[in-house]
Amino acid sequence: KQEVTQIPAALSVPEGENLVLNCSFTDSAIYNLQWFRQDPGKGLTSLLLIQSSQREQTSGRLNASLDKSSGRSTLYIAASQPGDSATYLCAVIDNNAGNMLTFGGGTRLMVKP
Amino acid sequence: DGGITQSPKYLFRKEGQNVTLSCEQNLNHDAMYWYRQDPGQGLRLIYYSQIVNDFQKGDIAEGYSVSREKKESFPLTVTSAQKNPTAFYLCASSIATGAASPLHFGNGTRLTVT
Repeated sequence: KQEVTQIPAALSVPEGENLVLNCSFTDSAIYNLQWFRQDPGKGLTSLLLIQSSQREQTSGRLNASLDKSSGRSTLYIAASQPGDSATYLCAVIDNNAGNMLTFGGGTRLMVKP
Repeated sequence: DGGITQSPKYLFRKEGQNVTLSCEQNLNHDAMYWYRQDPGQGLRLIYYSQIVNDFQKGDIAEGYSVSREKKESFPLTVTSAQKNPTAFYLCASSIATGAASPLHFGNGTRLTVT
């Protein structure tokens, strides 16, 4: 059974820092991996989706990489801002699992002004 | 304005009562999902539906029931059999399952049972 782990569980950084959030998964037979953002008490917003054949995806200050063979993904946030404060979740879809996502526990990010 | 609406935002119930959470979407999506989120944990799938009048159990379906009588609506009933019902419940939809189409999430309902 697929398991997704995110480290660290919480992170506090000063504004302007570049930072890396980590996601690992136990079964490398994935269809894709997604990173989501969740603001307190809200639903999830999709940030980046990486297909299993891709190595990375970029959107603005965000860059997500995928190393399927080692079961790892990283989300890189450049020049962090207080508005980036949120919980970041990664999720994978296994091959032959339809559209069923397996989520990690999230990293709660606080960017201090 | 297309999207997913969950209501109410906060819900309080006494132990032993059934409660129904509403989820409506106007995105014309075939697939809909219910997830449960506990503090510090990721989302866990309760039920999903690929088309009208069809639904399947997810990883933690015990103590929950759903219906899909209309494409736009996928209500979730939390029954008295659910041992730990207090949680944040998220509804989502996608164009279809099996296509890895992006999920669109509602803003959630926080259920507190005392």
